[in-house]
Amino acid sequence: DVKVTQSSRYLVKRTGEKVFLECVQDMDHENMFWYRQDPGLGLRLIYFSYDVKMKEKGDIPEGYSVSREKKERFSLILESASTNQTSMYLCASSPLEYPTDTQYFGPGTRLTVL
Amino acid sequence: AQKITQTQPGMFVQEKEAVTLDCTYDTSDPSYGLFWYKQPSSGEMIFLIYQGSYDQQNATEGRYSLNFQKARKSANLVISASQLGDSAMYFCAMREAGNNRKLIWGLGTSLAVNP
Repeated sequence: DVKVTQSSRYLVKRTGEKVFLECVQDMDHENMFWYRQDPGLGLRLIYFSYDVKMKEKGDIPEGYSVSREKKERFSLILESASTNQTSMYLCASSPLEYPTDTQYFGPGTRLTVL
Repeated sequence: AQKITQTQPGMFVQEKEAVTLDCTYDTSDPSYGLFWYKQPSSGEMIFLIYQGSYDQQNATEGRYSLNFQKARKSANLVISASQLGDSAMYFCAMREAGNNRKLIWGLGTSLAVNP
């Protein structure tokens, strides 16, 4: 079974703090993704990575950065957290094969910024 | 322009009955893939079923089947013999050949299974 883990299920941070969200997958997948999910807006892609040290901006990259130093780990960084970044954050990974490159998700992190 | 449309914000079904969740899509790419995911209240997004645009037969996976009507650009999810544990949000998503690994997501349908 594909296993994607995220470092925290729930996280509470203060405005201005630097926040790290970690994601690890154990299936040797090339692709990894970070989404945020908000009511009424669905899933929106923040960043994705198709290889170690490679990254591409998604639809809403502003206020976020990412790091992928190892194939299995993809980190999302909020440089200075703001209240409008309160959201559910979902990490996913997928293999390289098109078109059956199914994305498999972690359990999600519910981040609250006060 | 929204490329995945799920027109049913909420649906109810009686336990043991079948239910169809609608999904229509828009693409000019002849090669694409369609996915359905389930998201229970716990938050994890669970992959259910996949349909490729060139697949001749409708995809099936246990109690899930995909009613793929290519000319109408619809990819409806059918859940047979509903169970209480099927209560969740259901999302339809599309992957276009030229879209660099990105999925385009619908806004989801909330399904409630009544005992």
